[in-house]
Amino acid sequence: DQQVKQNSPSLSVQEGRISILNCDYTNSMFDYFLWYKKYPAEGPTFLISISSIKDKNEDGRFTVFLNKSAKHLSLHIVPSQPGDSAVYFCAAKDDNQGGKLIFGQGTELSVKP
Amino acid sequence: DAGVIQSPRHEVTEMGQEVTLRCKPISGHNSLFWYRQTMMRGLELLIYFNNNVPIDDSGMPEDRFSAKMPNASFSTLKIQPSEPRDSAVYFCASSYRLAGGPGNYEQYFGPGTRLTVT
Repeated sequence: DQQVKQNSPSLSVQEGRISILNCDYTNSMFDYFLWYKKYPAEGPTFLISISSIKDKNEDGRFTVFLNKSAKHLSLHIVPSQPGDSAVYFCAAKDDNQGGKLIFGQGTELSVKP
Repeated sequence: DAGVIQSPRHEVTEMGQEVTLRCKPISGHNSLFWYRQTMMRGLELLIYFNNNVPIDDSGMPEDRFSAKMPNASFSTLKIQPSEPRDSAVYFCASSYRLAGGPGNYEQYFGPGTRLTVT
């Protein structure tokens, strides 16, 4: 039972364009959401997060949008750069589950020069 | 700060053998997590500890898997006996959680151990 789903295993974008990575969740008790970025042969690293009381959080080229009614969040990268090529995981936290993070399957982003 | 340290980075073993993965969390962190990454399910949480005590092991696949945290600076994940379907990348992560405070937020991951069971 996947509580956090990333339905697109891969995404290819041209350099300079916008990358949009999507994530859906089923548990309405999730109160905090995070995006992690993972390069090959490395562990995931934290990228950006958003609390459930907000609908948008921006950090430089990265913006996360949260639509609670649709149980959907997205990560926008503008403009995309070749160095952004990586696997992106979304994760959700539910304090009712001991505060652990539930991760999606990941989306592999490829930014073409 | 050295970050989360995992060893070995790669492990190749034969079916039926015992495998032990090791993790040293970031100094000062009091929560430690073991994850397994697969193509189908992404990052699955296997078990996590808070202040060296196992809090949730519901993700441990079966009795062949066990984890220990004898002190704040060391944890092991053991598979005995190992099977080919255990082949995956295993990550350890750590974070700091205030006592009685909200749940864990940002977790810091180690580089992972790539396990291959033949």
